[in-house]
Amino acid sequence: DTEVTQTPKHLVMGMTNKKSLKCEQHMGHRAMYWYKQKAKKPPELMFVYSYEKLSINESVPSRFSPECPNSSLLNLHLHALQPEDSALYLCASSQDRGGQGYNSPLHFGNGTRLTVT
Amino acid sequence: AQTVTQSQPEMSVQEAETVTLSCTYDTSENNYYLFWYKQPPSRQMILVIRQEAYKQQNATENRFSVNFQKAAKSFSLKISDSQLGDTAMYFCALTQGGSEKLVFGKGTKLTVNP
Repeated sequence: DTEVTQTPKHLVMGMTNKKSLKCEQHMGHRAMYWYKQKAKKPPELMFVYSYEKLSINESVPSRFSPECPNSSLLNLHLHALQPEDSALYLCASSQDRGGQGYNSPLHFGNGTRLTVT
Repeated sequence: AQTVTQSQPEMSVQEAETVTLSCTYDTSENNYYLFWYKQPPSRQMILVIRQEAYKQQNATENRFSVNFQKAAKSFSLKISDSQLGDTAMYFCALTQGGSEKLVFGKGTKLTVNP
């Protein structure tokens, strides 16, 4: 069982729809991440939140909007997506922020398989 | 810039045998961490093993061990007594101390045959 829970597992949306991906962890981790993974490729970092503040945005298009309501929750709001945005979206969390010099490993969720039609 | 290279796109091994997955990396930092993650068809990325660059001793986790050659910037993963459940994509990854970015290699697809 994964300690990072992502919902929904699958999502099909049209290019004009607005939807949200949700991620939740109760391990007390203070850093949370969104990754995008295309088929047969490694995950690509999108966003990092440390202590509920956005610390990294890897030049992600504005049609993706992250939100961290509290230390346990991470959302990714989607609007006006393109078919090429279809991918597996992975959420992850880690105990420590990297800025403390100690890199605790990432714990990943099972991902949301997104299809944009 | 950090890079991670996995030169074996696919590998296969017979059940109960041993297999080694290769990984080389490049970084200009002295403080960094290396990881192997496993991603089975269930999609979840699972941490297999981690190695701190300042530790000379190779990390071991049950049937999984690494051969960390710091001077050669090599970090291979050895799986002993391979099991069918080891079938997965394996990603080598690197992060610098103090950084929140994890750089992944392209992955090696491992198939364990009965």
